[in-house]
Amino acid sequence: SQQGEEDPQALSIQEGENATMNCSYKTSINNLQWYRQNSGRGLVHLILIRSNEREKHSGRLRVTLDTSKKSSSLLITASRAADTASYFCATGYSGAGSYQLTFGKGTKLSVIP
Amino acid sequence: NAGVTQTPKFQVLKTGQSMTLQCAQDMNHEYMSWYRQDPGMGLRLIHYSVGAGITDQGEVPNGYNVSRSTTEDFPLRLLSAAPSQTSVYFCASSYALGPPEKLFFGSGTQLSVL
Repeated sequence: SQQGEEDPQALSIQEGENATMNCSYKTSINNLQWYRQNSGRGLVHLILIRSNEREKHSGRLRVTLDTSKKSSSLLITASRAADTASYFCATGYSGAGSYQLTFGKGTKLSVIP
Repeated sequence: NAGVTQTPKFQVLKTGQSMTLQCAQDMNHEYMSWYRQDPGMGLRLIHYSVGAGITDQGEVPNGYNVSRSTTEDFPLRLLSAAPSQTSVYFCASSYALGPPEKLFFGSGTQLSVL
C-alpha cells in the first residue's frame, strides 16, 4: 500500500500550546495535502504542498515537506478547543495511479480548554 | 451552493440486499470519488471517475459498482451487501484530475449490514 502514516496516533495538549503532527510516505509524490475531520463529519481540506515546495503557511497552520526523508509535518500554533479533530495527510502521486489520493490513518488531536 | 450532497445519511441493510448510495455535486467538478472509512483504517478509495462515462477502481473495489452518466452524479451500488461492508462512506469531488487536489467531501453515509 502507498498509504501515508501519521504520527502520533493521538495527541492531547492544552489550549494555547502548539500541536505538531507528522506524516511519512513511501513513494515519490506530486503533492501532499492535510485534511481535518470533526467527529462524524466529512473531511475538510486544510492545505496543500507540492513536491517542489519545502514550507507553506496558512493562518495558524505551517506545513513542511522533506522529500528526501519522504515526510511532512503539520504545525498548528496557538491551539484552540475548536481545533479538536482528527487530522489526515493525503498523498497524490505522479504517473501511474496519479488519479488516486491516498490517505493515512490520521492523528486524533484533543485540545483541552 | 450545496457542494457535495450524499443520501441517505444512515442505512441498515440485511446481508444479501442491494442498495445505491447517491452522490451529487454542483461545482462542475470532473473528478469524483468514493471512500470508505473504518476505525483504525483511515480512508480507502473504492472507485473514482475523471469525467462522465469514465470510471476506474481504487484500492477496495470488490462488491461495489459505479457509473457516471452525468458530471453531477456518481452513485455507488452495493450489489449484495455483506457485514464486511459496514462502514462510513464518503463521496468527494475535485476540480483537479491528476492528482486530485483539494477534495470536497460530502457529509457521509453510515451503513450497517446485519
